[in-house]
Amino acid sequence: GENVEQHPSTLSVQEGDSAVIKCTYSDSASNYFPWYKQELGKRPQLIIDIRSNVGEKKDQRIAVTLNKTAKHFSLHITETQPEDSAVYFCAASIGSNFGNEKLTFGTGTRLTIIP
Amino acid sequence: ETGVTQTPRHLVMGMTNKKSLKCEQHLGHNAMYWYKQSAKKPLELMFVYNFKEQTENNSVPSRFSPECPNSSHLFLHLHTLQPEDSALYLCASSQGQRGEKLFFGSGTQLSVL
Repeated sequence: GENVEQHPSTLSVQEGDSAVIKCTYSDSASNYFPWYKQELGKRPQLIIDIRSNVGEKKDQRIAVTLNKTAKHFSLHITETQPEDSAVYFCAASIGSNFGNEKLTFGTGTRLTIIP
Repeated sequence: ETGVTQTPRHLVMGMTNKKSLKCEQHLGHNAMYWYKQSAKKPLELMFVYNFKEQTENNSVPSRFSPECPNSSHLFLHLHTLQPEDSALYLCASSQGQRGEKLFFGSGTQLSVL
């Protein structure tokens, strides 16, 4: 099955600087890559997603890049703010025997923004 | 109320108890999911329902029994659990069964003694 590795597990960044979180996946058939943000004690929320037919996608201070050849994708957060502090999860989708997409998640990155 | 609502928020149970987790979505979605979140482990998909029909059972032990009476409600019945089943159980919904753009509930923090 699919295997998603996420690095680093923890990341501390000075407020205003950029943060980058990287994920690799094992199955070249994966074609959907979302990122979820989970603040302490709250639910995971989708912040951005990308499909394999696109190399990069941006939404204000957040961007995701995809390298299909190397099978890795990254989350970039620019001009970080205290409210960016959270755990970030990457995921990759793979078709299951039931014909529906099945997300495989990474282990998460705890991002701390230092004021 | 909008979004995905889960009850209870916290649950402590013994290994011989029977309890149920409830999830309700107010988004008009047709797919609902149960995920398990344990410390330092990836989110694990447990069950998927699409239009109240189960389409995925991710090799979950039979001590976890899901029920989906309609597209808006999802239950997870628990019996004879083990301490290693202690975790945060998250419900999610989406439009379509593709696991895309999931909307999660706040979860039930389960402790098995």
